[in-house]
Amino acid sequence: AQSVSQHNHHVILSEAASLELGCNYSYGGTVNLFWYVQYPGQHLQLLLKYFSGDPLVKGIKGFEAEFIKSKFSFNLRKPSVQWSDTAEYFCAVNPRRDDKIIFGKGTRLHILP
Amino acid sequence: GAVVSQHPSWVICKSGTSVKIECRSLDFQATTMFWYRQFPKQSLMLMATSNEGSKATYEQGVEKDKFLINHASLTLSTLTVTSAHPEDSSFYICSARDLFGPGKSTDTQYFGPGTRLTVL
Repeated sequence: AQSVSQHNHHVILSEAASLELGCNYSYGGTVNLFWYVQYPGQHLQLLLKYFSGDPLVKGIKGFEAEFIKSKFSFNLRKPSVQWSDTAEYFCAVNPRRDDKIIFGKGTRLHILP
Repeated sequence: GAVVSQHPSWVICKSGTSVKIECRSLDFQATTMFWYRQFPKQSLMLMATSNEGSKATYEQGVEKDKFLINHASLTLSTLTVTSAHPEDSSFYICSARDLFGPGKSTDTQYFGPGTRLTVL
């Protein structure tokens, strides 16, 4: 069955630290990849997405993610986090032959001021 | 960007009653909408795919007769939780797929703010 794994359930960092959140998926075919963010009390928002082309994708608020096909990974990065980045982050995969988006369990990021 | 609304944002009901949740795409037409359920500190679990003018496609383990989905127009899908029980208490989120906007790519889903259902 298709699945998405996020390695870290809860990450705590100080402001200005660098961030990398891991995401791996299990699906052999072509996929679209997403990272969504859910700020406290708010709904899901799209951070960035990869459909094709350059595997290094830049999103909003300084986030980027790199698709490594051989590793079935799509890790999220930010060089210097801010307190306002405190949120829950979800990696998601859409197999192209399908309508569905499959979500990982999420990583709760807490930034210390 | 595309906006999806849900109504109500929260609802409390007695066990055995039915609750209807609406999902609307406000500034675009959505032939496909999705209904998710999110348990505390867990991920979104897809319940069903709602297609305008046809029957919804339910995920394995989701009871069709309990979670009735109607997608009567290109901007509205409804989820009715019938004969609700305390174990149905959860956060229900819908998303809508915008395929036809200018410069849009396929498979971009926009999420509603969610509806918190509490069944007493």
